[in-house]
Amino acid sequence: GDSVTQMEGPVTLSEEAFLTINCTYTATGYPSLFWYVQYPGEGLQLLLKATKADDKGSNKGFEATYRKETTSFHLEKGSVQVSDSAVYFCALSDVPSGGSNYKLTFGKGTLLTVNP
Amino acid sequence: NAGVTQTPKFRILKIGQSMTLQCTQDMNHNYMYWYRQDPGMGLKLIYYSVGAGITDKGEVPNGYNVSRSTTEDFPLRLELAAPSQTSVYFCASSYSALVGETQYFGPGTRLLVL
Repeated sequence: GDSVTQMEGPVTLSEEAFLTINCTYTATGYPSLFWYVQYPGEGLQLLLKATKADDKGSNKGFEATYRKETTSFHLEKGSVQVSDSAVYFCALSDVPSGGSNYKLTFGKGTLLTVNP
Repeated sequence: NAGVTQTPKFRILKIGQSMTLQCTQDMNHNYMYWYRQDPGMGLKLIYYSVGAGITDKGEVPNGYNVSRSTTEDFPLRLELAAPSQTSVYFCASSYSALVGETQYFGPGTRLLVL
């Protein structure tokens, strides 16, 4: 079945440091890939997504490129801020035999703490 | 436009008690979902609905029930609470179920079963 493996946390960085959170996946079909972010005490919000190979999703200075050859979707940001402290989830949606998709498959999440 | 709202925010239950977690969305989405999030784990799908009157099981449905009488509401029912149901519950909705569609999440309900 489908699965998502992401970098174990927690990750602690200083403000303005470079961020990479690794994410790899296995899927039976041709999935779409997502990064969701969960700020303290809140629900998940979509950060960015990519729906086909070589697409780059970007938002709020974060970027991730859909790499089919390495089955990866690593999240990067050039200069993190204290306000980026959150839990980041990599996820995929795939097409089962029925032709529609009814769920997201999530990684375990990576806690990022950014210190001033 | 409030998006997806959930009540209550936090609840403590005793073993064997029952409760209903409420979820409402105002985006006119046909698709709605219930997930649970255990510490250090990703979200697991409990139940989903593709429209009013239509529901189906997800990965971890045991111990839960759902109903969908309107497009807006998708309550989750715990009949006999067990400690294993201690978790954070998220409701979500989406416009479609196509691959690549974004799901919109509520703020969550934290449930503690003692």
